[in-house]
Amino acid sequence: GESVGLHLPTLSVQEGDNSIINCAYSNSASDYFIWYKQESGKGPQFIIDIRSNMDKRQGQRVTVLLNKTVKHLSLQIAATQPGDSAVYFCAENPPAGYALNFGKGTSLLVTP
Amino acid sequence: EAGVVQSPRYKIIEKKQPVAFWCNPISGHNTLYWYRQNLGQGPELLIRYENEEAVDDSQLPKDRFSAERLKGVDSTLKIQPAELGDSAVYLCASSLAPGLYNEQFFGPGTRLTVL
Repeated sequence: GESVGLHLPTLSVQEGDNSIINCAYSNSASDYFIWYKQESGKGPQFIIDIRSNMDKRQGQRVTVLLNKTVKHLSLQIAATQPGDSAVYFCAENPPAGYALNFGKGTSLLVTP
Repeated sequence: EAGVVQSPRYKIIEKKQPVAFWCNPISGHNTLYWYRQNLGQGPELLIRYENEEAVDDSQLPKDRFSAERLKGVDSTLKIQPAELGDSAVYLCASSLAPGLYNEQFFGPGTRLTVL
């Protein structure tokens, strides 16, 4: 399944399918991006990051893609599991600052 | 290793009352952040500390909000008086250093409801 991030806040996928969560960021000068996972009642948890000199980075079951031309970030989750159900936020770190700018988040629901 | 600890986890107060939130960062983390997260939104930074110094408080509503980190470890965020619009989750985060690529670790947050 695929979402358009800020414009489609809920993504429902079946267990075992791949998930794609999209995010549009605002500052073309941002040089560091992070994906966070937030489960109900918990704080955001770091998943994966990427620097602006890269266009792809892979982790365990997760891949982040960065397209600086259109200021777009995506998170791909392979073989989605029920434990992946959460809200996912992208965050950008603009230059000359340490405050993360978070997007509005996408809720991922994994059904058996 | 213990994570970021926050208390209380939940707080319900009437408007115009004061409220305070407490945060204990990960041991050794010099940088501490307070964020506010409204329902369905991403966290927004309120204030950032480097040790005991508030180095970025530009988003803190200073007429009613205050924060302190007297000994460079624990921190307290206060609202006085609270307004209905202050209902949100208040998150504390810490990082080892202020550098760009230092991961921020978040606590579970305090959910504030103002009636």
